[in-house]
Amino acid sequence: DVKVTQSSRYLVKRTGEKVFLECVQDMDHENMFWYRQDPGLGLRLIYFSYDVKMKEKGDIPEGYSVSREKKERFSLILESASTNQTSMYLCASRTTGTEAFFGQGTRLTVV
Amino acid sequence: GQNIDQPTEMTATEGAIVQINCTYQTSGFNGLFWYQQHAGEAPTFLSYNVLDGLEEKGRFSSFLSRSKGYSYLLLKELQMKDSASYLCAVRDDKIIFGKGTRLHILP
Repeated sequence: DVKVTQSSRYLVKRTGEKVFLECVQDMDHENMFWYRQDPGLGLRLIYFSYDVKMKEKGDIPEGYSVSREKKERFSLILESASTNQTSMYLCASRTTGTEAFFGQGTRLTVV
Repeated sequence: GQNIDQPTEMTATEGAIVQINCTYQTSGFNGLFWYQQHAGEAPTFLSYNVLDGLEEKGRFSSFLSRSKGYSYLLLKELQMKDSASYLCAVRDDKIIFGKGTRLHILP
């Protein structure tokens, strides 16, 4: 079974803090994605990556950056957390011919 | 631009059939996914259509018409556990999701 693991299920951070959300997949997938999910807005794509050290902006990249130094790990970075970044963050991975497999999600609260 | 539309909410009765529609306008198209998401959980994969026509998988079926930019998910013999959100997603070079349809099942 494909496993996509996010480092935290719940996280509370203060405004202005630098926040790292980690995602690891164990199936050698090339593609990895970060989404945030908010009521009434659905899943919105923040960043995605086709391969190691490659990254592409999604629909809402402002205030975020990403890092993919190893194939299995895709990190989402909030440079200076703000209250409007309080959300559920979902990581996903896929390879050619497969669906996207999701991690369990990280519910981030910025206070 | 990218646009994926699906109804916000639907209600159906246990044992009945429900059809959830999805229309899309995207710059590219390499397939359409349907996902199920229970409250507080991650989305789980239901179906994938890349060619026109109907894909059947047990109680769930998914249909695609690429020329019309249209898909539907058909759920038969509804069970209470089918109460969830259903997400339509289009793949071009990335995967873009609609806002989801929250399905309520009444006993």
